[in-house]
Amino acid sequence: QKEVEQDPGPLSVPEGAIVSLNCTYSNSAFQYFMWYRQYSRKGPELLMYTYSSGNKEDGRFTAQVDKSSKYISLFIRDSQPSDSATYLCAMSGNTNAGKSTFGDGTTLTVKP
Amino acid sequence: DAGVTQSPTHLIKTRGQQVTLRCSPISGHKSVSWYQQVLGQGPQFIFQYYEKEERGRGNFPDRFSARQFPNYSSELNVNALLLGDSALYLCASSPLGGNSPLHFGNGTRLTVT
Repeated sequence: QKEVEQDPGPLSVPEGAIVSLNCTYSNSAFQYFMWYRQYSRKGPELLMYTYSSGNKEDGRFTAQVDKSSKYISLFIRDSQPSDSATYLCAMSGNTNAGKSTFGDGTTLTVKP
Repeated sequence: DAGVTQSPTHLIKTRGQQVTLRCSPISGHKSVSWYQQVLGQGPQFIFQYYEKEERGRGNFPDRFSARQFPNYSSELNVNALLLGDSALYLCASSPLGGNSPLHFGNGTRLTVT
């Protein structure tokens, strides 16, 4: 069983919809939680970076972390066609080894 | 500012050959990490280097090696290539290594035939 499980999708929504992307994890040592966006033929782009539990908002994006449930979410408000991409969650522990563990991604399509 | 640059962008090799991939980090970033991304999967951690020292190593065989140079650029070497090594190899830089946020390049697409 993988340490990080991500809803595989694909997910298709109309423009303007609220999108919810989710990951669960099993390693209680994870302390840092990230969301990346990856367009086709590009590298992942960091969207959100949070430490421990709680919410973080940046523009149309909100990241939530619930460590008690080992569950993280990314919400996208007023979704745009330009948001169409694969979204990857990633997590790391409190070490200097630098390893981030990624989910396999959810592919999102926002239709005009 | 220039982002993380990787070269080459595409590469085709034959089984058993060796390959070297190159990465230049964002100016001022002292740490470089390497990840392998197989189609349809998330990136898998291979190495992290900080100040030319290996900080972490993922679950990859000894055929995979890397190094970081005094200018903080890095090379990833893979020996005795297997068909299963076909993947997108991503380099990411960060200011301090450890759990600092990663800034990825666009990767090198390696195909092993």
